[in-house]
Amino acid sequence: GQSLEQPSEVTAVEGAIVQINCTYQTSGFYGLSWYQQHDGGAPTFLSYNALDGLEETGRFSSFLSRSDSYGYLLLQELQMKDSASYFCAVNYYGQNFVFGPGTRLSVLP
Amino acid sequence: DTEVTQTPKHLVMGMTNKKSLKCEQHMGHRAMYWYKQKAKKPPELMFVYSYEKLSINESVPSRFSPECPNSSLLNLHLHALQPEDSALYLCASSGSGGSSYEQYFGPGTRLTVT
Repeated sequence: GQSLEQPSEVTAVEGAIVQINCTYQTSGFYGLSWYQQHDGGAPTFLSYNALDGLEETGRFSSFLSRSDSYGYLLLQELQMKDSASYFCAVNYYGQNFVFGPGTRLSVLP
Repeated sequence: DTEVTQTPKHLVMGMTNKKSLKCEQHMGHRAMYWYKQKAKKPPELMFVYSYEKLSINESVPSRFSPECPNSSLLNLHLHALQPEDSALYLCASSGSGGSSYEQYFGPGTRLTVT
């Protein structure tokens, strides 16, 4: 089967940088995605890595190491509005997706 | 238009009722998904439709019956549900092939089974 691990909670202050790690075990790995979900809202796509390395999208960056089955999401210049849950999700065998347990990020003033 | 719409927003149903959830997208996406999300848990994949054909069924009980009438619409028919089926039901869509990883989610239907 597939399994993913993420820290359950992370706390940081405005303007700081935070890294959310994700480790996974899966067969048929295609790529690793990251989603943000605010309370009461729907998940919103942030980033995707199919190959090793860093992908940068504005204040958010995502990294993947396929050999280590590991990835992370890096959030820079944290803002209060970044307080949300962040999920990594493995894409395997094409259109199968399994989400990690989620990391709740709290940004303090 | 990058919006996925879902109706209804809220639904309360008894265990003997039959109801349907609806999802619509006009982004030309050929893959559509149903997810179930319990409070403080991640979304769990239920069904995937690719080019209007059911491609993935994650061992979902038969009381959930998906339907894809055309490339823009996705339904989830509900019958004889159990209280533990109460959850947020999310619809998503994505491109196919190399762009299938970026899923656009609708706002969800919050279902309560009494």
